[in-house]
Amino acid sequence: DAGVTQSPTHLIKTRGQQVTLRCSPKSGHDTVSWYQQALGQGPQFIFQYYEEEERQRGNFPDRFSGHQFPNYSSELNVNALLLGDSALYLCASSLGHLDTQYFGPGTRLTVL
Amino acid sequence: AQKVTQAQTEISVVEKEDVTLDCVYETRDTTYYLFWYKQPPSGELVFLIRRNSFDEQNEISGRYSWNFQKSTSSFNFTITASQVVDSAVYFCALSEGPGRRALTFGSGTRLQVQP
Repeated sequence: DAGVTQSPTHLIKTRGQQVTLRCSPKSGHDTVSWYQQALGQGPQFIFQYYEEEERQRGNFPDRFSGHQFPNYSSELNVNALLLGDSALYLCASSLGHLDTQYFGPGTRLTVL
Repeated sequence: AQKVTQAQTEISVVEKEDVTLDCVYETRDTTYYLFWYKQPPSGELVFLIRRNSFDEQNEISGRYSWNFQKSTSSFNFTITASQVVDSAVYFCALSEGPGRRALTFGSGTRLQVQP
């Protein structure tokens, strides 16, 4: 049973560029959540997708956007990258009301 | 607003010692869920336990045990006879209400188990 997968593993970008991160949920899961984890801190909720729509959003600017596809996989897009966007981006999947979120290995984004 | 506090930034113990990681939470909801996750150096968050607000029964799983006390808004995690493989950052998290809810994490406790 495959767990949550994310790609790429690492990414280096420069300020002002745009980036797309990808996530495939655990088999059977229909909800995908994205978190940003800065170095030495706990993960911060970005947004959650269910039935291909953004259902909840944390305190992140509109530069952060996402998408969920019919197969439940998801993308996180960040535009106009800032140095402060450097972080580990974690994707988590869950199944409906059962609510336990299972996390992928993350994508380490470095903005120079 | 919901909040999770993990006051212990870093704990260092010697193998076979018992260690308790503290977690204090704040929420106005009567229905909520509490979680513990482990983050080894690889970075992936590993789910350890989920407890809902209506179940204050303590739980034991092997060397791990959890103590949930609503009266003090605490959900503490104890590792008995710690091992080097337990070295990681441990996060306590809270989600309010049932269903698809965001997790609010504490700042984490780094546990170092020395051989």
